[in-house]
Amino acid sequence: EPEVTQTPSHQVTQMGQEVILRCVPISNHLYFYWYRQILGQKVEFLVSFYNNEISEKSEIFDDQFSVERPDGSNFTLKIRSTKLEDSAMYFCASNEGGGSYNSPLHFGNGTRLTVT
Amino acid sequence: SQKIEQNSEALNIQEGKTATLTCNYTNYSPAYLQWYRQDPGRGPVFLLLIRENEKEKRKERLKVTFDTTLKQSLFHITASQPADSATYLCALSPSGTYKYIFGTGTRLKVLA
Repeated sequence: EPEVTQTPSHQVTQMGQEVILRCVPISNHLYFYWYRQILGQKVEFLVSFYNNEISEKSEIFDDQFSVERPDGSNFTLKIRSTKLEDSAMYFCASNEGGGSYNSPLHFGNGTRLTVT
Repeated sequence: SQKIEQNSEALNIQEGKTATLTCNYTNYSPAYLQWYRQDPGRGPVFLLLIRENEKEKRKERLKVTFDTTLKQSLFHITASQPADSATYLCALSPSGTYKYIFGTGTRLKVLA
């Protein structure tokens, strides 16, 4: 069964550095998402992406964050000037249709980001 | 304000019993609601979807109900097994948006 893959599984970075988290969504999916889960807390929506542009973003997704689909398969989340509070598990997800289409999300197994 | 709330405390049940998990939402009018399972250190995995015009949906030992008047969904696992131990999340997509909002999750532990 096709799956969403994320790399790296664990990323350690120093405060103030930039990180890029990478995802390969399922190939025939059209909508891509990033979510964040701080340890012990809920899964929080960051951003959705369709047709090479952001469809929706949360208040968390400020100028520090950006997303890109650099080629036909990868979907990346860039975090500039990381802060301690950015430490979390970051999940990529994809689905066939956006929120209105009843389409379940398929998640990767996440990248654990640790900012020291 | 808009909220999706699940039992924050862990639910412990004996193997073979039925587990019932609750999802309540406030100030949303979702056309459907989804349930996911999340194991430690892993991404959520989709289990079931129920639409607003469906009262009940079943899949093997899983059953979901959806009451739009009460603004509540119940998730049942019958004949529970230790392998069912995980955190269960409900999620909805607010009308006209391109996002899915998740509840806080309920941790279920099935005791052998």
